[in-house]
Amino acid sequence: AQRVTQPEKLLSVFKGAPVELKCNYSYSGSPELFWYVQYSRQRLQLLLRHISRESIKGFTADLNKGETSFHLKKPFAQEEDSAMYYCALMGYTGNQFYFGTGTSLTVIP
Amino acid sequence: DVKVTQSSRYLVKRTGEKVFLECVQDMDHENMFWYRQDPGLGLRLIYFSYDVKMKEKGDIPEGYSVSREKKERFSLILESASTNQTSMYLCASSFGGGNSPLHFGNGTRLTVT
Repeated sequence: AQRVTQPEKLLSVFKGAPVELKCNYSYSGSPELFWYVQYSRQRLQLLLRHISRESIKGFTADLNKGETSFHLKKPFAQEEDSAMYYCALMGYTGNQFYFGTGTSLTVIP
Repeated sequence: DVKVTQSSRYLVKRTGEKVFLECVQDMDHENMFWYRQDPGLGLRLIYFSYDVKMKEKGDIPEGYSVSREKKERFSLILESASTNQTSMYLCASSFGGGNSPLHFGNGTRLTVT
């Protein structure tokens, strides 16, 4: 089965501290993984995708096939990073996406 | 920039009513999706469509149906609304093919009383 697990519902860090949001997946084959973010009163939007190997707003995420993980990291959290973060896995057909239950990040000033 | 527009931001309906949620995208995307978003449960796929008049059930299709008569429009229908369908409903679209991300609408907060 294709599934995504985000073990932390809530995460609080102080401004300037490193942050890591965990994501584990189950998938047979080469997964395509994404992180989406939803800021307060805004629509859900793409933050980054693993295939692009990019850094967006200081966030990076590395695919670890051995640990079946795609954790989202940022070395120095900012207040504006406070949001809900969802990890998502694209299914075999390329049409379906499987989302984790989300992690609500709060950055404490 | 891709725009996915959901017709209503907030809706309040009574139990047993038939409810229509409308979604329009302006980027000629093949795929369109309806999710519901609930605290602690994340996003759960209700239905998706990969072409006009085509639809596929997602994880939680019970109590819902969909319609896609035109490529840009995807409607979610609650045949007989119930209180357990009170939720945030998100529409999304994407190009067909691999690695094409989802683009979401603002969501419709539906309350069934």
